[in-house]
Amino acid sequence: NAGVTQTPKFRVLKTGQSMTLLCAQDMNHEYMYWYRQDPGMGLRLIHYSVGEGTTAKGEVPDGYNVSRLKKQNFLLGLESAAPSQTSVYFCASTLRHGTKRDTQYFGPGTRLTVL
Amino acid sequence: AQSVTQPDIHITVSEGASLELRCNYSYGATPYLFWYVQSPGQGLQLLLKYFSGDTLVQGIKGFEAEFKRSQSSFNLRKPSVHWSDAAEYFCAVGAPSGGSYIPTFGRGTSLIVHP
Repeated sequence: NAGVTQTPKFRVLKTGQSMTLLCAQDMNHEYMYWYRQDPGMGLRLIHYSVGEGTTAKGEVPDGYNVSRLKKQNFLLGLESAAPSQTSVYFCASTLRHGTKRDTQYFGPGTRLTVL
Repeated sequence: AQSVTQPDIHITVSEGASLELRCNYSYGATPYLFWYVQSPGQGLQLLLKYFSGDTLVQGIKGFEAEFKRSQSSFNLRKPSVHWSDAAEYFCAVGAPSGGSYIPTFGRGTSLIVHP
């Protein structure tokens, strides 16, 4: 049981390049989330998913797209990277929709730098 | 919408001293409350959570937190700090909605432990 994994761990992009971050969980969780963490800002929710085939916007969705084609995977895409997207990105998952006592499990993070 | 404030950006304590990290929330009803810890270069780990019931919550690593409705607070405490407790601490609040929730994170408090 690997929990929540993220690929890649580090990435450097040039402005305008695109990339996809992969989050995978092997706990059969329904909910999945993408956050970004910036110094002094805590974690801010980018997008989330309440189940396979569904996605929703969070607090800071602009410049990002997501897909949840398989229950265990949640992809975060940057179509045209900007320096403002330099951040550490965390994925998280929660067991079941509607079960209030579930808590989030976090991945180790992806450090992205956009030059 | 809910919000959470961690008033202290940095806290410095001596090893063996007691610790209290402050967390205040804004929400019209009783929220779900969480404390997470993040060691450098790592993801977030749940320390403890409050959903309902006993307002004094015990967590891992010797931490506890008390929900005080009258003060809209959920402060984290530890009676004797160890050098390994040096990390970033995040408070989070979740607004119950049909049993599920999307948490909002505070900006974090950095704990520095002096030998």
